[in-house]
Amino acid sequence: KAGVTQTPRYLIKTRGQQVTLSCSPISGHRSVSWYQQTPGQGLQFLFEYFSETQRNKGNFPGRFSGRQFSNSRSEMNVSTLELGDSALYLCASRGQSGNTIYFGEGSWLTVV
Amino acid sequence: AQSVTQLGSHVSVSEGALVLLRCNYSSSVPPYLFWYVQYPNQGLQLLLKYTTGATLVKGINGFEAEFKKSETSFHLTKPSAHMSDAAEYFCAVSEPKAAGNKLTFGGGTRVLVKP
Repeated sequence: KAGVTQTPRYLIKTRGQQVTLSCSPISGHRSVSWYQQTPGQGLQFLFEYFSETQRNKGNFPGRFSGRQFSNSRSEMNVSTLELGDSALYLCASRGQSGNTIYFGEGSWLTVV
Repeated sequence: AQSVTQLGSHVSVSEGALVLLRCNYSSSVPPYLFWYVQYPNQGLQLLLKYTTGATLVKGINGFEAEFKKSETSFHLTKPSAHMSDAAEYFCAVSEPKAAGNKLTFGGGTRVLVKP
């Protein structure tokens, strides 16, 4: 079965713009989480959604937001982009019966 | 709060030699433990995990890890390194039986395999 799918894979934005990233979880998975990966801070948890509700949130400013749709697909949005937002954004999903978290290939965001 | 420490941000091994990557965690209760591998320009791939039961866990690509509660460790080993093992490895923990899927990661260890 298909894995976690993230789009777009690569994008370049200008400071001050906003960006939306998309994630389709593994079929049947209702839990979707987002992580930011940077050389300096490593892998950091952004937030998690389950059944269209935010269940957990990391320590990121309000410029970072997300949502989940009824088909479990999720989007994350970053507004007023800063240079420091340049990172690999990873989406992960987990099924209800398992405790394994599966990751997508990520979306590479460069802010110039 | 949980935390994960990976000793050594870079490890260099010769092809055919033992690979040993160290991971220690801090948690109020024994967590679920994971090792992920990341190849260049790719996402994270699960190598193995420990939740309950046998403390020696075997994963993909010949890797294994042992959970030692008394040492709060979950070190990853592979008896014989292959060139294809060159990648970055992340140890991660999650709260057992938690409803969510929040992982706390270590800083990662980049493995270089010399021919």
